[in-house]
Amino acid sequence: EVQLVETGGDLVQPGGSLRLSCAASGFKVSDNYMSWVRQAPGKGLEWVSVFYSGGATSYADSVQGRFTISRDKSKNTLVLQMNSLRAEDTAVYYCARGAMTHNYFDYWGQGTLVTVSS
Amino acid sequence: DIQMTQSPSSLSASVGDRVTITCRASQDISNSLAWYQQKPGKAPKLLFYAASRLESGVPSRFSGSGSGTDFTLTISSLQPEDFATYYCQQYYSAPYTFGQGTKLEIK
Repeated sequence: EVQLVETGGDLVQPGGSLRLSCAASGFKVSDNYMSWVRQAPGKGLEWVSVFYSGGATSYADSVQGRFTISRDKSKNTLVLQMNSLRAEDTAVYYCARGAMTHNYFDYWGQGTLVTVSS
Repeated sequence: DIQMTQSPSSLSASVGDRVTITCRASQDISNSLAWYQQKPGKAPKLLFYAASRLESGVPSRFSGSGSGTDFTLTISSLQPEDFATYYCQQYYSAPYTFGQGTKLEIK
């Protein structure tokens, strides 16, 4: 059974850093495109970043240069390192599994809440 | 970036009604379009990919169509569990943008 479990969400001050993790089971994260998608309170879905199965990465303009996505094959985990956090980064962050060669999302985690506030 | 525009933003309907939600892309995305359903406090759920391919386990009262720039999601006979927010998403190219959502409410 495919499962994605996010951890690491917290309250952080503007300018601070946070590291989110997504533990995967039932498949190998290295076999699929893996993304982070966020949802600000009461708002719609926003794609944040992808780690392609081949190793390349891509980011939304809103987080480019501040967030870094990575993958730990040994732990079967996806990670999002978030630096220079802003109030507008406040959201529930979802880990989502893409298809093997397309970036639509067939499995999602339960989400982890990041709140950026002083 | 490819912009995705859904209409309507909200919709009131009754159980048994037929409803259609539209999604328009700002440029040709072929059939690289997915639809999701999200209920309050829950993660989104994939309904369709490749515009019209029904994800396993999704009821057949849901249908998807379109290609190029114009797409539709239709629910043939609304059930109580269908009241939710629906999003389209293009996966033709990064950034992988979503529509703003359509909230389907009970009339």
